[in-house]
Amino acid sequence: EVQLVESGGGLVQSGGSLRLSCAASGFTFSSYAMSWVRQAPGKGLECVAAISGSGGSTFYADSVKGRFTISRDNSKNTLYLQMNSLRAEDTALYYCTKAIVVVVAASYFEYWGQGTLVTVPS
Amino acid sequence: EIVMTQSPATLSVSPGEGATLSCRASQSVSRNLAWYQQKPGRAPRLLIYGASTRATGIPARFSGSGSGKEFTLTISSLQSEDFAVYYCQQYNNWPPWPFGQGTKVEIK
Repeated sequence: EVQLVESGGGLVQSGGSLRLSCAASGFTFSSYAMSWVRQAPGKGLECVAAISGSGGSTFYADSVKGRFTISRDNSKNTLYLQMNSLRAEDTALYYCTKAIVVVVAASYFEYWGQGTLVTVPS
Repeated sequence: EIVMTQSPATLSVSPGEGATLSCRASQSVSRNLAWYQQKPGRAPRLLIYGASTRATGIPARFSGSGSGKEFTLTISSLQSEDFAVYYCQQYNNWPPWPFGQGTKVEIK
């Protein structure tokens, strides 16, 4: 059974930093690209970052480019999102998701974690 | 960047009735279209991929159709657990794999 368990969310002041983690199990972690998808309160879904199975290729939404860094440790089956220079508009539930392919490419989000909440007061 | 537009924003349906949700892409996405269901306080769940293939464990009352720019999610005979928000997402032109804004299916 695929499981994705996020952690690391919390309340952080504007301009602060936070690192999210996602522990994966139930599949060969290094064989799949992974992404972080966020959902602001009462809003829709936005993929903010994605990473290939090897970690060699990444994608960032314009809204987070230069501030967020996605990474992975395949030896620990763990995905990360380093979030710097946080803003009020980054307040959201952050979901860890699994792709269906190893590269950052055409893929839907096959499995989702339960999410971790990041709150940046305005 | 492709824009995904869903309609209606809210759909009021009585239990046991059917529901038809629409998703339109600003340019063709072939059949690279997925649908997700999100219940309150829960993570989204994959329902349909490839425009019409049900994901593992998804009941047959959920069906998807369409290609190119126009897509439909049909729920036949709504059950109480089907009242939720539904999102479409294209993965033909990437990144960034945009989602539609969602359709809320509520009890009439």
